[in-house]
Amino acid sequence: NAGVMQNPRHLVRRRGQEARLRCSPMKGHSHVYWYRQLPEEGLKFMVYLQKENIIDESGMPKERFSAEFPKEGPSILRIQQVVRGDSAAYFCASSPGKGTGSPLHFGNGTRLTVT
Amino acid sequence: QQQVKQSPQSLIVQKGGISIINCAYENTAFDYFPWYQQFPGKGPALLIAIRPDVSEKKEGRFTISFNKSAKQFSLHIMDSQPGDSATYFCAASRRGGSNYKLTFGKGTLLTVNP
Repeated sequence: NAGVMQNPRHLVRRRGQEARLRCSPMKGHSHVYWYRQLPEEGLKFMVYLQKENIIDESGMPKERFSAEFPKEGPSILRIQQVVRGDSAAYFCASSPGKGTGSPLHFGNGTRLTVT
Repeated sequence: QQQVKQSPQSLIVQKGGISIINCAYENTAFDYFPWYQQFPGKGPALLIAIRPDVSEKKEGRFTISFNKSAKQFSLHIMDSQPGDSATYFCAASRRGGSNYKLTFGKGTLLTVNP
């Protein structure tokens, strides 16, 4: 019974390149969430998706960041033209439903380093 | 504006001692208060959670105490063990279906010495 799978675990990009982070939710979970953890900070909500729909993107930066959760395949968080300030750990979480009866299960994250 | 303030930033406890981590929140719309445990290189894992209709919740060696009037809640780890050494995050979310939008504290690095 695999948990939330994220890859790659570590990603190094030069300034101006694109970063693609992938997340496969737990089996049976149809709700996916992305959080970002900056050094010495707690996690901050970015976006909430269900299959083929963005439900809440209120935490996403307005530019360069996008997310999708297609009908088939993993959820993708895409960062275009990365800058040094994008260096962080990006965590994906999933849940079977919405509501406090469905706690979030986090993956082990992708550590993005922008050089 | 930091909506959930967590203290201390780091904590060192001897094996068998009690670890206490405190959090304070500002938004009175918050009604779900989980604690997460994170080991190096891993994602946060839900440890225990509380709703404001109770003042205390206990699960094994872990207890949440909740003070609604003071807008504070705390995690107590009894009989702390070296395996408890990790970073602990408190969090809060609002009612109205947006419980997925957790607001996290900055974390407490707990070290339990053998």
